[in-house]
Amino acid sequence: EIVLTQSPGTLSLSPGERATLSCRASQSVKWNYLAWHQQKPGQAPRLLIYEASKRATGVPDRFSGSGSGTDFTLTISRLEPEDFAVYYCQQYGSSPPFTFGPGTKVDIK
Amino acid sequence: EVQMVESGGGLVQPGRSLRLSCATSGFTFDDYAMHWVRQGPGKGLEWVSGISWNSGRIAYADSVMGRFTISRDNAKNSFYLQMNNLGPEDTAMYYCASGRGSNFYDAFGIWGQGTMVTVSS
Repeated sequence: EIVLTQSPGTLSLSPGERATLSCRASQSVKWNYLAWHQQKPGQAPRLLIYEASKRATGVPDRFSGSGSGTDFTLTISRLEPEDFAVYYCQQYGSSPPFTFGPGTKVDIK
Repeated sequence: EVQMVESGGGLVQPGRSLRLSCATSGFTFDDYAMHWVRQGPGKGLEWVSGISWNSGRIAYADSVMGRFTISRDNAKNSFYLQMNNLGPEDTAMYYCASGRGSNFYDAFGIWGQGTMVTVSS
């Protein structure tokens, strides 16, 4: 089973600032099948990024994903008020379970 | 409009069973793999089970193996999670989610709003 570790646990930033979130896998993620999901309080998760760097339909271009192998990054270039949420990485390239990371909370400083 | 709507959650006693359903609309259901993901109160996301477009590939998390059964009915654009021998550790919001395509190994592109399962005496 691939274990995903996310850092930091909480990121306190102001609107307009840049956010950099990290996801590290315990072993290489096959085909870079790594996704990022956003979850706001009381809402279902929403897919932002798949295959490490491809934006899902309708996702603003201030969100970008990068990385390969075991180290991945989600970058939000300029935080908008609606971006304050919890972000989960997930691998889906290896045999199940399709594990999630513990999440990074981006909150308002 | 693409929609995934869960139902069947509720309060159940330990050791009892519950069947969750996920009804879909707005897309060609039998083109996609489907999954169940749960989230305990105040906790992170946990993948529970997945099923390929033709039910030929099914997988479970170790935590539910032998107790939960996933199935789908392509004629009804729906899939299900039969949960037996429930324990307090199964208390969670249960989300249904669709893969982005027929490949079992694909990101979860669409999510339902969830149905709450509470296991308590």
